[in-house]
Amino acid sequence: EAGVTQFPSHSVIEKGQTVTLRCDPISGHDNLYWYRRVMGKEIKFLLHFVKESKQDESGMPNNRFLAERTGGTYSTLKVQPAELEDSGVYFCASSQDLRTEAFFGQGTRLTVV
Amino acid sequence: GNSVTQMEGPVTLSEEAFLTINCTYTATGYPSLFWYVQYPGEGLQLLLKATKADDKGSNKGFEATYRKETTSFHLEKGSVQVSDSAVYFCALSDKVDNFNKFYFGSGTKLNVKP
Repeated sequence: EAGVTQFPSHSVIEKGQTVTLRCDPISGHDNLYWYRRVMGKEIKFLLHFVKESKQDESGMPNNRFLAERTGGTYSTLKVQPAELEDSGVYFCASSQDLRTEAFFGQGTRLTVV
Repeated sequence: GNSVTQMEGPVTLSEEAFLTINCTYTATGYPSLFWYVQYPGEGLQLLLKATKADDKGSNKGFEATYRKETTSFHLEKGSVQVSDSAVYFCALSDKVDNFNKFYFGSGTKLNVKP
């Protein structure tokens, strides 16, 4: 069974550009989470989907970030326009339900120059 | 609020040395505690967990004990191997809120030399 897959693995963009990160959860997992690690600091929660609904988006830093999960399958995280401080590693995780283990993807390393 | 503090790295050890990575936490409720590991080029993997006070999580020779009185969850291994080189993250989740909404520490990079 395939694990959580994230695309791209690495993205380098210029300040002011737009980038879209994608996460494909494990098949059948209703819960999908986005996290990010900025500048080698702690990994921080961004948001949580249950199917296509945003259950908790308390960690989204500002309105330059837009997450979607149309159809309740894969999710995208768009950053528009990107700023230098958005550089970091963005992780996605999925779980079957709220109380079972979440499995993480390899992460997308975003570099804004 | 909820937060996790872990020792800064990198930690460099020789093979077969004893490992301790300190982790302390602050929580509003009664959290579950976790250690995650990220090997080079891979994603985060759950290493071990403990859900209540005095529980000991263990896996692959690593152990950590949930100490409520000292709000700590230190990671230990008696004899490290080169293959243990990775970044280790301590984390907590508030079971009441969302089991998979984690509060992570900043990570500790471990380098094990042969």
